[in-house]
Amino acid sequence: KNQVEQSPQSLIILEGKNCTLQCNYTVSPFSNLRWYKQDTGRGPVSLTIMTFSENTKSNGRYTATLDADTKQSSLHITASQLSDSASYICVVSAGNAGNMLTFGGGTRLMVKP
Amino acid sequence: NAGVTQTPKFRVLKTGQSMTLLCAQDMNHEYMYWYRQDPGMGLRLIHYSVGEGTTAKGEVPDGYNVSRLKKQNFLLGLESAAPSQTSVYFCASRPLTGGSTDTQYFGPGTRLTVL
Repeated sequence: KNQVEQSPQSLIILEGKNCTLQCNYTVSPFSNLRWYKQDTGRGPVSLTIMTFSENTKSNGRYTATLDADTKQSSLHITASQLSDSASYICVVSAGNAGNMLTFGGGTRLMVKP
Repeated sequence: NAGVTQTPKFRVLKTGQSMTLLCAQDMNHEYMYWYRQDPGMGLRLIHYSVGEGTTAKGEVPDGYNVSRLKKQNFLLGLESAAPSQTSVYFCASRPLTGGSTDTQYFGPGTRLTVL
């Protein structure tokens, strides 16, 4: 069964600090991995997407890495801001025609002043 | 461009009642999806549609029905609501450009409580 596991489940950091979120997956066949940001009460919004051949992708202060051999990804947030408080969801596509996605449970990040 | 919209935003039902959730997108996307999100769990696919007039089952389809009569609308129906269907429901859409990297765009969600 395809699975995506994220850690930690929740994280509290001070404004201005960096943090790294982890994602492990067992999805086959692998097509791509995405990180989504979900603000409270809103739908998820795509941050990055990486295919098999990409091992890093940046979007502003967000940098995602992918190790397809170990089936691990991380999302690094630099110089955190209060607006970074949200859930971050790792999503893996199995590459079938319907673009079926397997979602992780998310990491809830709280940035405190 | 409103993107993906969902109505209603909140709803409380009694067990056994029926209701329909409406999803609308103005991006001319071919694919549309209905997910549910439960605390501590990842989003799970209920049903999806690859085009007007076509629907297919996802991971957790039991207790739900869908219809895609118009390309821009995707309806999710609960014929006889059960407390286990208390959840937040998200609709998503994506274009058909031939690539698996196409991004799904999500609506704001509908919070449903079944008493």
